[in-house]
Amino acid sequence: EAGVAQSPRYKIIEKRQSVAFWCNPISGHATLYWYQQILGQGPKLLIQFQNNGVVDDSQLPKDRFSAERLKGVDSTLKIQPAKLEDSAVYLCASSLDPLLVSSTDTQYFGPGTRLTVL
Amino acid sequence: AQSVAQPEDQVNVAEGNPLTVKCTYSVSGNPYLFWYVQYPNRGLQFLLKYITGDNLVKGSYGFEAEFNKSQTSFHLKKPSALVSDSALYFCAVRDPSGANNLFFGTGTRLTVIP
Repeated sequence: EAGVAQSPRYKIIEKRQSVAFWCNPISGHATLYWYQQILGQGPKLLIQFQNNGVVDDSQLPKDRFSAERLKGVDSTLKIQPAKLEDSAVYLCASSLDPLLVSSTDTQYFGPGTRLTVL
Repeated sequence: AQSVAQPEDQVNVAEGNPLTVKCTYSVSGNPYLFWYVQYPNRGLQFLLKYITGDNLVKGSYGFEAEFNKSQTSFHLKKPSALVSDSALYFCAVRDPSGANNLFFGTGTRLTVIP
């Protein structure tokens, strides 16, 4: 079974530029997550989708970050404009979750995209 | 509010010795707890989880974890460490609100010394 795919693996941009990350979850997984992992910290949830709907985006800085999962499969996360403090690894994860409430399904993570903002 | 604490930033252990990576949690309701491992330049890999039932949970690569409700702990253990176990380990607790998102600790770097 193929895992969660992410691209690009690395990205270097200058502040105020825009960037986009792509994620393809494990086939059949209804729930998709984007996490931000700053160096020396644990991952923190940015946004969670159930199929093509947003479940939780309370930690997403909406003035500069946006995400979509239009067809309920793959997803893109965009930052515009980027700031220095956005330098981090952006992790995508997915879980099966046919019924989200009370689900304890395991989340499986992709390899991440390492973003450096200069 | 839910939270996870990993009190040790770094753990060193000799190859062949038992290892323990500590985790304590704070959550309202039933705790659902997870351990993940992260190798350099790779994403997180699932090791094991506690949902309910037996307090000793067995996972991948010979790891196990013991859920202790009275001490609110979920320590990761392995009877005999391998050099290849050297990595960054994260404990996580599931959001009890039902949305299945995870709150992670800050991580513990395990170094197994040959």
